[in-house]
Amino acid sequence: EDQVTQSPEALRLQEGESSSLNCSYTVSGLRGLFWYRQDPGKGPEFLFTLYSAGEEKEKERLKATLTKKESFLHITAPKPEDSATYLCAVQGAGGGADGLTFGKGTHLIIQP
Amino acid sequence: GAGVSQSPSNKVTEKGKDVELRCDPISGHTALYWYRQSLGQGLEFLIYFQGNSAPDKSGLPSDRFSAERTGGSVSTLTIQRTQQEDSAVYLCASSFTSGMNGELFFGEGSRLTVL
Repeated sequence: EDQVTQSPEALRLQEGESSSLNCSYTVSGLRGLFWYRQDPGKGPEFLFTLYSAGEEKEKERLKATLTKKESFLHITAPKPEDSATYLCAVQGAGGGADGLTFGKGTHLIIQP
Repeated sequence: GAGVSQSPSNKVTEKGKDVELRCDPISGHTALYWYRQSLGQGLEFLIYFQGNSAPDKSGLPSDRFSAERTGGSVSTLTIQRTQQEDSAVYLCASSFTSGMNGELFFGEGSRLTVL
């Protein structure tokens, strides 16, 4: 069974204070690891897909990296508008049509 | 609108009643997913539709839950004889194919409260 564990559960940063969110996973045959952003009262919004260890993707102040056991979402010089819950998900070789397995998310608050 | 549309946005019902939740996916998307998000929990997969193929119902928690997709477009999730533990946000997502690149487009969800 695929499993995803995200840490920390919550993180409060000052504006401009860089940090990283962790996503540890166990999966049989990783087909992809995905990061989503979810704002309160909204559905998750796709950010990145990573397919293999060593891969990196960037978007504005966010950079996602992947190893064989975990992924990091690095946030550089965050702004208050980066406040959201960040979700990590995996799709394994045995996943097939059963969608993605999501972690519980990291609730990120950026204080001005 | 161009996004995934879900209705109702909020539903309060009494224990034992049946509810129907509706999802209008993005036009042209062949794959449609239902997820459930409970407070403090991750998204829980419920059911998946791909084109005209038989749906993958492996995530449905009990036989009180069912879903259909008419004409390869609109989907309805039905919960019969609702229980308090069914209270959650029900999210619908669609994608162009089977979501192999992980890019699912989510609606804003239907918040269900069972009293």
